[in-house]
Amino acid sequence: DIQMTQSPSAMSASVGDRVTITCRASQGISNYLVWFQQKPGKVPKRLIFAASSLQFGVPSRFSGSGSGTEFTLTISSLQPEDFATYYCLQHNSYPPTFGRGTKVEIK
Amino acid sequence: QVQLVQSGAEVKKPGSSVKVSCKASGGTFNRYAFSWVRQAPGQGLEWMGGIIPIIGSANYTQKFQGRVTITADESTGTAYMELSSLRSEDTAVYYCADHYGDYSLWGRGTLVTVSS
Repeated sequence: DIQMTQSPSAMSASVGDRVTITCRASQGISNYLVWFQQKPGKVPKRLIFAASSLQFGVPSRFSGSGSGTEFTLTISSLQPEDFATYYCLQHNSYPPTFGRGTKVEIK
Repeated sequence: QVQLVQSGAEVKKPGSSVKVSCKASGGTFNRYAFSWVRQAPGQGLEWMGGIIPIIGSANYTQKFQGRVTITADESTGTAYMELSSLRSEDTAVYYCADHYGDYSLWGRGTLVTVSS
């Protein structure tokens, strides 16, 4: 199975901060990577697909980059509604595997 | 509007089985590919298995192999996930998601509680 190493596992940030979350795949996955945001008690929400394509309706402060084994989710200017847990998912090969999540908390 | 509608919460005894449904509302059933993802309380997301109805065969992660069965019924437009030999660690929210659409569409989740 492909391991997805997501970092950091948690972080504290302030409104307006630039936030970067990284996922590293144990082997190449091309661009078969999805980023999700999840708030407590809610369904995961897709933010980014194909590593860098922004989901329709998601604010442009979210962006994704990377290919192969290194991927990044960036929030250019953190907003109050962005405090949540973020997950990456690789679906290049079976079984799809998630990163362990990054909890973004208010500083 | 396309939706995945899941069955309601369940409470089960250890050792029993649970079957969760996921009905595709809107769209063409055979254009979906269903994944099942679970989330234990306070934990991350875990992919369990999936099925592409037009193909019919399911794939499972090794952790659940032998305990989970995923099926799809084209006549009702519904996918199912059955988990057997339940234990307390199986207490979780179980989600279905459409992986044909790169996980853009999810059901609202079904809470399964395993308790004696």
